[in-house]
Amino acid sequence: GAVVSQHPSWVICKSGTSVKIECRSLDFQATTMFWYRQFPKQSLMLMATSNEGSKATYEQGVEKDKFLINHASLTLSTLTVTSAHPEDSSFYICSARWESEQYFGPGTRLTVT
Amino acid sequence: GENVEQHPSTLSVQEGDSAVIKCTYSDSASNYFPWYKQELGKGPQLIIDIRSNVGEKKDQRIAVTLNKTAKHFSLHITETQPEDSAVYFCAASMGGGSYIPTFGRGTSLIVHP
Repeated sequence: GAVVSQHPSWVICKSGTSVKIECRSLDFQATTMFWYRQFPKQSLMLMATSNEGSKATYEQGVEKDKFLINHASLTLSTLTVTSAHPEDSSFYICSARWESEQYFGPGTRLTVT
Repeated sequence: GENVEQHPSTLSVQEGDSAVIKCTYSDSASNYFPWYKQELGKGPQLIIDIRSNVGEKKDQRIAVTLNKTAKHFSLHITETQPEDSAVYFCAASMGGGSYIPTFGRGTSLIVHP
């Protein structure tokens, strides 16, 4: 149990376009999901905490207008990278909390050309 | 806030040897310490965790120890195998409803056959 999926697993987009990444909890309901960003050979950087039915809480330095998070249901949270630029290229990972433990998705590799 | 230090950043061992990764944390209120294994291009997977009311926990070839007084915890992998090669992250949090873990920087474990 406690499986988290992400879609897509990788995406290439042109500079200036927007990209949506989906995070789903497949076999449990997650009132709280998290979005992380990971640069090569570095640790996970928490971007925001997403609570179902309410606005996301963004970490300091993360632009909320650029990284739009929607947690519309107990099994789905989405991250939209708006007006993407090459510096937004990264590995984005979501996680969901279930019974005090955190389960991670497989990640989405975003490349902005 | 919480600060987690992890050492070493890289660990190279021969198959069959033991591997030890150490972490220290700063917030004495932290009471939940998970360890994650991240393979290349994938999301982190929880492999073992320990709570502050326990000093040691073991699951087959992996074990975690916790010293609350010194505020450090360690991951021990015995009889290492090539498939253990990955990046391992420790984390610390206060658990419960406010579970937002702070991650260490990661240890790249390489097991040579």
